[in-house]
Amino acid sequence: GEDVEQSLFLSVREGDSSVINCTYTDSSSTYLYWYKQEPGAGLQLLTYIFSNMDMKQDQRLTVLLNKKDKHLSLRIADTQTGDSAIYFCAERFGGYNKLIFGAGTRLAVHP
Amino acid sequence: DARVTQTPRHKVTEMGQEVTMRCQPILGHNTVFWYRQTMMQGLELLAYFRNRAPLDDSGMPKDRFSAEMPDATLATLKIQPSEPRDSAVYFCASAPTTTDTQYFGPGTRLTVL
Repeated sequence: GEDVEQSLFLSVREGDSSVINCTYTDSSSTYLYWYKQEPGAGLQLLTYIFSNMDMKQDQRLTVLLNKKDKHLSLRIADTQTGDSAIYFCAERFGGYNKLIFGAGTRLAVHP
Repeated sequence: DARVTQTPRHKVTEMGQEVTMRCQPILGHNTVFWYRQTMMQGLELLAYFRNRAPLDDSGMPKDRFSAEMPDATLATLKIQPSEPRDSAVYFCASAPTTTDTQYFGPGTRLTVL
């Protein structure tokens, strides 16, 4: 069945780049998403990429998609303490906009 | 700034009691989702509606959970009777047809004692 996998934890120094990785199984996925969840809050949509794209950039965020390997990554440039959160990768599955989420990667930013 | 709203934000109840959670989707969004988040299971899709009609509720325990959309501005998720294992954060999300991007509410944190 469909599955999305992420590493659970990433620690980076403030000012460095962060790269969060995700693998998915459904080759027919049309959209792939990155959401951010801060403590006690809901999920905030960060960005998404359509499956016919290889890369999408939005300010400090860069999304890379390797369809052959079913690998998605999120790069955050100049990581700040405010970027500390859990980041969820999700793939859209099926015709009714069903999202399958990964377990989330906890990003810790230290001075 | 349009947002999905959920009430209550926190709910503590005793086992066996009925719990009703409410969601107001973003105006104009015609698809509504209910998710449950726990440490063990992560984010699970419970049910979703399009144009107020249930499309898929296969993720929901049918014996005690029910989800409805009495009108386009209100979605409800009810648990009766509640059990300690239902303790979780319940999120509602809505999406417009045009982009299908889901926007999440702040969640209802449910604790069943």
